[in-house]
Amino acid sequence: GNSVTQMEGPVTLSEEAFLTINCTYTATGYPSLFWYVQYPGEGLQLLLKATKADDKGSNKGFEATYRKETTSFHLEKGSVQVSDSAVYFCARAGGTSYGKLTFGQGTILTVHP
Amino acid sequence: KAGVTQTPRYLIKTRGQQVTLSCSPISGHRSVSWYQQTPGQGLQFLFEYFSETQRNKGNFPGRFSGRQFSNSRSEMNVSTLELGDSALYLCASSVDGAYEQYFGPGTRLTVT
Repeated sequence: GNSVTQMEGPVTLSEEAFLTINCTYTATGYPSLFWYVQYPGEGLQLLLKATKADDKGSNKGFEATYRKETTSFHLEKGSVQVSDSAVYFCARAGGTSYGKLTFGQGTILTVHP
Repeated sequence: KAGVTQTPRYLIKTRGQQVTLSCSPISGHRSVSWYQQTPGQGLQFLFEYFSETQRNKGNFPGRFSGRQFSNSRSEMNVSTLELGDSALYLCASSVDGAYEQYFGPGTRLTVT
């Protein structure tokens, strides 16, 4: 079946450090890929997306590139801020599985001043 | 444009009771999906509705049900609550044909 695997967390960084959160997906079909972010006590916010191979999604300094050859969609940010502290989820959708996103387990990011 | 709204935000119920959660999608979005989020199982898909019809369903027991109204608002119902049903229930809406979903703030259900 379809699945998404995220790197084990949590991740703790100092402000202005480089961030990478790894995400791989099963290669069934040609899924659309997403990163969502969840702040404490809130729902999920769509951070960025990519719909086909080699697409790069970007938003608020975060980037992720759809790599079909490695079935990966790693999230990166060059310089994190304390306000980026949150839980990050990688997700895939696609095919006839209407309205269903399959999520990774989530990665807790904590950024210290 | 207003976002996805969910009511109530918090709910405490006793084992054996039933509960109904409500979701209003973004204006113009006709697809509504529901998810259960728990620390142990993460985010799991419950079901999806479009034009008042359930199009997709996850692997949850029949105690979990839902419906959608003609204005696209949706409700989900859980009957005979169990302690393990304690979770954050998230609703998401999307434009038909688009895969990205927009989430509400969730309803935190606690079963005692």
